[in-house]
Amino acid sequence: DGGITQSPKYLFRKEGQNVTLSCEQNLNHDAMYWYRQDPGQGLRLIYYSQIVNDFQKGDIAEGYSVSREKKESFPLTVTSAQKNPTAFYLCASRGLRGLAGSDTQYFGPGTRLTVL
Amino acid sequence: SQQGEEDPQALSIQEGENATMNCSYKTSINNLQWYRQNSGRGLVHLILIRSNEREKHSGRLRVTLDTSKKSSSLLITASRAADTASYFCATVPSFSGGYNKLIFGAGTRLAVHP
Repeated sequence: DGGITQSPKYLFRKEGQNVTLSCEQNLNHDAMYWYRQDPGQGLRLIYYSQIVNDFQKGDIAEGYSVSREKKESFPLTVTSAQKNPTAFYLCASRGLRGLAGSDTQYFGPGTRLTVL
Repeated sequence: SQQGEEDPQALSIQEGENATMNCSYKTSINNLQWYRQNSGRGLVHLILIRSNEREKHSGRLRVTLDTSKKSSSLLITASRAADTASYFCATVPSFSGGYNKLIFGAGTRLAVHP
């Protein structure tokens, strides 16, 4: 799981509530990513950020929001607008282009969100 | 959208046997990567092969890439029970620029029995 931490490991939320998932990295990576994984499926990209104060929507951004105020932090908010938020959420980071391993994404351990 | 499709979806073998997983994709790529995921955990990067490479080795892993067929295979030799996990291929499409957006397949679930 490298130098990426996600918290909490398990999260329970009532319908209609917003919830924020934490992702912190100490790898000095510029790019950070949020993915969603549903049972038996691959990962789908929610949001990504190349640099501080900049982020882009991925394939399934509706109902989610992010911020990138610091290089090492990329929190994801799951809003009440997300219709089916129960899933496993994975954060990843990547170093600068031109450095060894810069095409590789390093993943955190994940947060399992359950909506009650 | 999911670009990679792994085959088979599930694979069950005995320790010591080889395991082969295949991945097909749709668009031109910069590189293709294989990741491993233990149940309920994050993904771990295994190996990356660039579009101008045809084969790459890392320990017991061998990856091939055929860009004309838009396919890749991952071979794990002399498998161990500890290799039990899900394996995902992920592609970086040529059009992703510097964002390095990975597109994942649904994965192959490998079970290695002692």
